[in-house]
Amino acid sequence: AQTVTQSQPEMSVQEAETVTLSCTYDTSENNYYLFWYKQPPSRQMILVIRQEAYKQQNATENRFSVNFQKAAKSFSLKISDSQLGDTAMYFCAFMEYGNKLVFGAGTILRVKS
Amino acid sequence: DADVTQTPRNRITKTGKRIMLECSQTKGHDRMYWYRQDPGLGLRLIYYSFDVKDINKGEISDGYSVSRQAQAKFSLSLESAIPNQTALYFCATARDRGYEQYFGPGTRLTVT
Repeated sequence: AQTVTQSQPEMSVQEAETVTLSCTYDTSENNYYLFWYKQPPSRQMILVIRQEAYKQQNATENRFSVNFQKAAKSFSLKISDSQLGDTAMYFCAFMEYGNKLVFGAGTILRVKS
Repeated sequence: DADVTQTPRNRITKTGKRIMLECSQTKGHDRMYWYRQDPGLGLRLIYYSFDVKDINKGEISDGYSVSRQAQAKFSLSLESAIPNQTALYFCATARDRGYEQYFGPGTRLTVT
C-alpha cells in the first residue's frame, strides 16, 4: 500500500520569509498525482497545488511551488513571501489508481509577524 | 454558495446510538468520498463511490456503512456509535481520476 510521510509535525516562519515543507511517499506505480492541501483553523480543506508524475516540470501557483523528485519519491512545498494567512495545517497527498487519496499526517505551519 | 455541503456540522451522540452524516453536492461530479480526520493521522478513506451503483470500501470501513441515494447525495452511517469514532468527518467529490477532490466543510462528531 502507498504511504505518505511528512517528517515535520510543526514549523514556523517569519512573515515575508520562505519556508519549505517536506513530503516523501512510497509507491510502485509510475503514473500518479501528488497534491498539497491546506487546512486553516476554519477546518476547510483547500487545494494548494497539484503535480502530475509524468510531468518533469515542477508545478507553481503564485507564491507556492513544489520540488518534485520522482526518483527520490520526494514532493516538497515551498512557500515564498509567507503571509499570516498561510498559517494552517498542510497535508501532502498521493493519488493512487482509482482516484483515492492517501494523506500524510500533516505539518502545522505558523507564520509569525 | 457551497458546492459540497455536509449536515450536521457538529454532533454529540452517545455510545450505541445510530447516526447518519449527510453530504450533498452541486458540482455534478460522479465520484464521492468519505474520510475521517484524527490528530496525527491525517485523513483516512472510509468509503468511496464512482457512481450510484458503485460503492467501495476504503481503508477503515469497519463500523460504517454508506448509501448513494443519487448522484448528488452520499450518506455515511454509524450503526452503533462508539467513542473511538469521535473524529472530524469529510465528504469530498471529484470529476475524474487525477483531478482535484473538493471537500465539504466537515462534521465534528463526538461520541460519549
